[in-house]
Amino acid sequence: AQRVTQPEKLLSVFKGAPVELKCNYSYSGSPELFWYVQYSRQRLQLLLRHISRESIKGFTADLNKGETSFHLKKPFAQEEDSAMYYCALSGGNFNKFYFGSGTKLNVKP
Amino acid sequence: DVKVTQSSRYLVKRTGEKVFLECVQDMDHENMFWYRQDPGLGLRLIYFSYDVKMKEKGDIPEGYSVSREKKERFSLILESASTNQTSMYLCASSLYPSGGASYGYTFGSGTRLTVV
Repeated sequence: AQRVTQPEKLLSVFKGAPVELKCNYSYSGSPELFWYVQYSRQRLQLLLRHISRESIKGFTADLNKGETSFHLKKPFAQEEDSAMYYCALSGGNFNKFYFGSGTKLNVKP
Repeated sequence: DVKVTQSSRYLVKRTGEKVFLECVQDMDHENMFWYRQDPGLGLRLIYFSYDVKMKEKGDIPEGYSVSREKKERFSLILESASTNQTSMYLCASSLYPSGGASYGYTFGSGTRLTVV
């Protein structure tokens, strides 16, 4: 069965510190992995896709099929990065997404 | 620029009422989805639709139904609202990836439903 696990409910770091939000998945086929972000009072929005191999707002994420992980990283956290982050997996028919339970990132000044 | 619109931002309904949540998208997407978002549980799929008049159950369909009479509109119906259906409801749409990679979802701003 498809599953996305985000082990941390809350992650607090100081501004300028590195940040890593963990995501592990289980899926029998070849999944597509995504990170979504929800800033306070805003709608959920796509942050990045593993297939694009891009860096958005300084964030990167590498798909590690051996460890079935897709951790989100940023070398220097900013206060404006404070938000709720969801890891998601897309697989199978109909482009359904399976979401993790989310990690709230709090970047302290 | 708004592409997925949910008709109500906040709703308060009484137990036992029939509740309609409306979602409209203007991107000509084939797929539309309803999720509920609860703290500590993330987003859970209620129902989705991949075409007009077509629907599929998600992971938690009990107590809900849906309607898709037109491509741009996807309605979530709570047949008899209960207090455990108090939640944030999110609508999303996506293109059907015809052999290519998924482009991801576009979400609406959500409807916070309180059942009293």
